[in-house]
Amino acid sequence: GQQVMQIPQYQHVQEGEDFTTYCNSSTTLSNIQWYKQRPGGHPVFLIQLVKSGEVKKQKRLTFQFGEAKKNSSLHITATQTTDVGTYFCRGGTSYGKLTFGQGTILTVHP
Amino acid sequence: EPEVTQTPSHQVTQMGQEVILRCVPISNHLYFYWYRQILGQKVEFLVSFYNNEISEKSEIFDDQFSVERPDGSNFTLKIRSTKLEDSAMYFCASRGAFRNIQYFGAGTRLSVL
Repeated sequence: GQQVMQIPQYQHVQEGEDFTTYCNSSTTLSNIQWYKQRPGGHPVFLIQLVKSGEVKKQKRLTFQFGEAKKNSSLHITATQTTDVGTYFCRGGTSYGKLTFGQGTILTVHP
Repeated sequence: EPEVTQTPSHQVTQMGQEVILRCVPISNHLYFYWYRQILGQKVEFLVSFYNNEISEKSEIFDDQFSVERPDGSNFTLKIRSTKLEDSAMYFCASRGAFRNIQYFGAGTRLSVL
């Protein structure tokens, strides 16, 4: 079945450093979504990517969808303590199946 | 801003008991979902619901689980005979007809003793 692998599982950074999490699917995706879950909170939708090679930015966050639509990345520039949380990708296929990645837990040391 | 509400926030039950987790989706949404997150693990899809019927379910969603939309506002997840391994956070989500964005509730933490 479809699998979505996300790496790294954990990332510890100093405030001000950059952070990147990667998402890889075993099958071609029709779209990919990114969510953020604060500690003790619920997933909150960040963005959806649909087009091959698409790049979208939200302030310090840059999201990229691979040319083959099987991988994606989320990059945070100059992390802040408010960026702490777990970042999940979720891959969607053309037949509607949705699969979450395992998530990357980001901790930011001030 | 409208939000998905879930009750209770924490449910403690004995193994073998039935539990019903309740969700009130955003009012004009048409697609409803249940997810499970075991402590420290990823969010897992359980079931999606549209037009008063299940549209997709995962292998986790076995005969012990059922969903219902008993009235125009509530969306419930029932676990008939809880097992220890059902202990998890259960999230409800909903989305509208046109935008593929799911809005999650705050979750119900289910503890099976």
